[in-house]
Amino acid sequence: QVQLVESGGGVVQPGGSLRLSCVASGFTFSRYGMHWVRQAPGEGLEWVAVIWYDGSKKYYGDSVKGRFTISRDNSKNTLFLQMNSLRAEDTAVYYCARDECSGGSCSLDYWGQGTLVTVSS
Amino acid sequence: DIQLTQSPSSLSASVGDRVTITCRASQGISSYLAWYQQKPGKAPELLIYAASTLQSGVPSRFSGSGSGTEFTLTISSLQAEDFATYYCQQLNSYPQTFGQGTKLEIK
Repeated sequence: QVQLVESGGGVVQPGGSLRLSCVASGFTFSRYGMHWVRQAPGEGLEWVAVIWYDGSKKYYGDSVKGRFTISRDNSKNTLFLQMNSLRAEDTAVYYCARDECSGGSCSLDYWGQGTLVTVSS
Repeated sequence: DIQLTQSPSSLSASVGDRVTITCRASQGISSYLAWYQQKPGKAPELLIYAASTLQSGVPSRFSGSGSGTEFTLTISSLQAEDFATYYCQQLNSYPQTFGQGTKLEIK
């Protein structure tokens, strides 16, 4: 069965950096695009970034562009999110999710359980 | 960026009720819209993609419709397990965006 397991969250000071990981299993990781989505405490979902199945294309949300970098290692079935210049407003649960496209339409069909990032001094 | 506006933001209903949630896009997105359900402390789960296609395993009381700028999610007969928060997402263009959510509560 498809599993996505995030790790790497924790408490970091403003201006600091953190690297999140998402290990995938139960499917051929190298055939799927992958997303990061976050959710601030008590708030809604915010799309963060996507990476193509082969890493050839990456897109970011406006609030993280230039500070966050999405990457992947298909040999290790792992997705990453490098977060730099962190701000208090980056505090959130970060989810990784699989991008499923069929018939020209896509969706996020599997999600991890999330990892909490807290930016605080 | 494409903005998605859901209405209502919250809704009280009873078991057995029929409920409809609307998602409006700030510009046309064809049928590139998905709906998710999220329960407290859990990750979102996919309900519907391509505006109207039911994800495998999702009960048939859920349905979606619409195209262009206006979309609806309908639950034909609410069950106790349906009380949750629902989000729409546009996948037409980057950056992808979510609606602000609709919290469905028990009356």
